[in-house]
Amino acid sequence: AQTVTQSQPEMSVQEAETVTLSCTYDTSESDYYLFWYKQPPSRQMILVIRQEAYKQQNATENRFSVNFQKAAKSFSLKISDSQLGDAAMYFCAYRSGGTASKLTFGTGTRLQVTL
Amino acid sequence: DSGVTQTPKHLITATGQRVTLRCSPRSGDLSVYWYQQSLDQGLQFLIQYYNGEERAKGNILERFSAQQFPDLHSELNLSSLELGDSALYFCASSTLGRGEQYFGPGTRLTVT
Repeated sequence: AQTVTQSQPEMSVQEAETVTLSCTYDTSESDYYLFWYKQPPSRQMILVIRQEAYKQQNATENRFSVNFQKAAKSFSLKISDSQLGDAAMYFCAYRSGGTASKLTFGTGTRLQVTL
Repeated sequence: DSGVTQTPKHLITATGQRVTLRCSPRSGDLSVYWYQQSLDQGLQFLIQYYNGEERAKGNILERFSAQQFPDLHSELNLSSLELGDSALYFCASSTLGRGEQYFGPGTRLTVT
């Protein structure tokens, strides 16, 4: 079974600074996807970024980028120019490439953004 | 707005009761997933439907059941409710062949 580990329960960053959230995963599969989801106080789950395992290039979405290290099974999220609205829980998630495609989530990292 | 809708937003009920949670997927999405988010268990996959058929099952209790209707909306039925069933229940949908799942706003269930 696949597992996802987020070892940082809480992180803090100053506004306009850069922060990196860590995620490691364990799998024996070669075809899979990785995601970061954001859960603000409203509790809505918002997709931040996705990465296909077969792609070597790291995904980027505006201020959000990932560092995908397939051999190390590491998938970190970098938030640049942090904004107050980035404060939320961030979940790393894994999905197999097959059609039975549930998401397996990590335990989350709570990000605080300070002035 | 993800395009996935869930009703009701909040539900308060007593132990032993039965409730039904409803989800409408994004237009064009055939797959629907149900997840439970609780403080002690985190985010857990319950069940997946694809075009009306059950596709995968996770840690879903026997007291819980789900179905997906011809119009692709889905319902999650929770019966003989216990205090421990109090949680946020999410529905998500996806297009087969694409990796990402889009989540609805969730239904917060409180069992008293």
